Amino acid sequence: AQSVTQLDSHVSVSEGTPVLLRCNYSSSYSPSLFWYVQHPNKGLQLLLKYTSAATLVKGINGFEAEFKKSETSFHLTKPSAHMSDAAEYFCVVSDRGRNAGNMLTFGGGTRLMVKP
Amino acid sequence: ETGVTQSPTHLIKTRGQQVTLRCSSQSGHNTVSWYQQALGQGPQFIFQYYREEENGRGNFPPRFSGLQFPNYSSELNVNALELDDSALYLCASSLVGGGQETQYFGPGTRLLVL
Repeated sequence: AQSVTQLDSHVSVSEGTPVLLRCNYSSSYSPSLFWYVQHPNKGLQLLLKYTSAATLVKGINGFEAEFKKSETSFHLTKPSAHMSDAAEYFCVVSDRGRNAGNMLTFGGGTRLMVKP
Repeated sequence: ETGVTQSPTHLIKTRGQQVTLRCSSQSGHNTVSWYQQALGQGPQFIFQYYREEENGRGNFPPRFSGLQFPNYSSELNVNALELDDSALYLCASSLVGGGQETQYFGPGTRLLVL
């Protein structure tokens, strides 16, 4: 069984300061890990993914995440927050289905607020 | 390249009714997954369809059922609607077997059950 824990339900930062959204996972397999972002009343947009290549993954809009197997963590960072980054962020782990498909297990989400 | 589309965008039903939600997968994708996102929560996996067959199911009762068509589009059917079925229903498509199993999501259908 797989699970994801997002350690903060809300994070508030000032524009121009660094962002850190924390995620820990549990997986019986070598996981694929993702971060998705959801703006209000919108669907989910893929930010980045880890699939056992480089442990430091770069995504869109300046975000990156580091896979640390020893800590079972996959924290999301950005050096400088922008007002447009305000949204809900989901850390996600992938589980392989019967026919090589993949089912996603989502964390509870972290709401990022950016103050001017 | 056309992204994932869903219809309708919003829907209001009453308890006991049935509902059908539709999803068109992204061009070149062969797998569709459905998720339920209750207000303030992360999405929960309902089921996945690959080659027109169910390929895994989450912890949802049998009144949640689905179909996948030869063009890889999909339907989610919910019978005997309950108040707790009110949620955003998200469809995601992916290409299984092509090394690109990342799921891409549609905008969702917001269902309100009264």
